[in-house]
Amino acid sequence: GAVVSQHPSRVICKSGTSVKIECRSLDFQATTMFWYRQFPKQSLMLMATSNEGSKATYEQGVEKDKFLINHASLTLSTLTVTSAHPEDSSFYICSSLGTGKNIQYFGAGTRLSVL
Amino acid sequence: AQSVTQPDIHITVSEGASLELRCNYSYGATPYLFWYVQSPGQGLQLLLKYFSGDTLVQGIKGFEAEFKRSQSSFNLRKPSVHWSDAAEYFCAVGADGSARQLTFGSGTQLTVLP
Repeated sequence: GAVVSQHPSRVICKSGTSVKIECRSLDFQATTMFWYRQFPKQSLMLMATSNEGSKATYEQGVEKDKFLINHASLTLSTLTVTSAHPEDSSFYICSSLGTGKNIQYFGAGTRLSVL
Repeated sequence: AQSVTQPDIHITVSEGASLELRCNYSYGATPYLFWYVQSPGQGLQLLLKYFSGDTLVQGIKGFEAEFKRSQSSFNLRKPSVHWSDAAEYFCAVGADGSARQLTFGSGTQLTVLP
């Protein structure tokens, strides 16, 4: 399957700082990427859909000013958690959907711990 | 809106035994159906998918799944489980004939006994 690289795999930060997570589609151009959040022992919840060259679409209840998404190229989307607080601690996973492809390929996830 | 139900939160099987993980979906039209596997602390790996055609689909790692429209089910099976199959399994449904809007089930945790 296609390779999606997500970095970093784990980050620990102090409350009030911002954290950037990168998601790269390594072997195909991804016009659309997705960002999910997963709480322990729970399923994935879609946070936002990131479209190359346009604004992201956020799901209901997700603060767009807190979770900034940038999709500046066909292979890179970034999620920035601004002014992180302990309640933002979670597992964040990205996925890529290439043009004409009907499969989402997932990154390995980022474990964010906010102290 | 579509929905997915995985009735079994946790399943335990012995190595070498057969496995069936249940998945029921709700969607008005023909769904796109997926099974993903997640190892601890990892992202999701696609096991198999159903879009159309043959209702019995083969995937990686010896897994297969059967789409049954009459039962709105897409159960995952494996004839002989290996210890390395221990993981979390997620069923997902895509709407509007694509994988853009995926709805995931709550997952089934598989434990494999030696």
